[in-house]
Amino acid sequence: QTVVTQEPSFSVSPGETVTLTCGFTSGSVSTSSFPSWYQQTPGQAPRTLIYSTNTRSSGVPDRFSGSILGDKAALTITGAQADDESNYYCLLYMGSGSWVFGGGTKLTVL
Amino acid sequence: QVQLVESGGGVVQPGGSLRLSCAASGFTFTTYGVHWVRQAPAKGLEWVAFMQYDGNTKFYAESVRGRFTISRDNSRNTVHLQMNSLRAEDTAVYYCARDWRYASDYWGQGTLVTVSS
Repeated sequence: QTVVTQEPSFSVSPGETVTLTCGFTSGSVSTSSFPSWYQQTPGQAPRTLIYSTNTRSSGVPDRFSGSILGDKAALTITGAQADDESNYYCLLYMGSGSWVFGGGTKLTVL
Repeated sequence: QVQLVESGGGVVQPGGSLRLSCAASGFTFTTYGVHWVRQAPAKGLEWVAFMQYDGNTKFYAESVRGRFTISRDNSRNTVHLQMNSLRAEDTAVYYCARDWRYASDYWGQGTLVTVSS
């Protein structure tokens, strides 16, 4: 069974750039997977950052960007800020009416 | 503004049933699909079910297929999730979210379901 993988954790210093990735245990992520990205802080509902690989959701700052890097989807935060410290989840469309979330990446900004 | 409000969560015994509701407002409900997504305590997000805007297309995660049923009432701008044969592993916060281009763009605040004896 194909699983969606993300880095369990990542650390970045304020002002630096960080790229989080989202891949399959078997196969490549492409735009046909319609990768999307969500930010969630504990106790809160998820917030949509990116959909359709690289389109920012309404109100999302342009320091967040999405892309395909190699065989994975990627979320890049340019100039990380303290309030970017959150959990980040990717979601991939598997086809045939099935979606799968990655396990999430806990981003620490320090 | 777009709003999604879940209700119906609570404590239920294993094997029991519960019906969640998601009330939508601030947009043309009849033109959007809706997802249910859940999050077990201290765990990640899990996609559960999807219903197309017209109610004719429904999809389920393998973990709930045959036990959960998604439905919608377009006259009341509401989506439901009927959950039967509940198990301890169904304990989670359940979110409804509006579909947009194979993603979810707006989310409700969630409702907690606890399956315990």
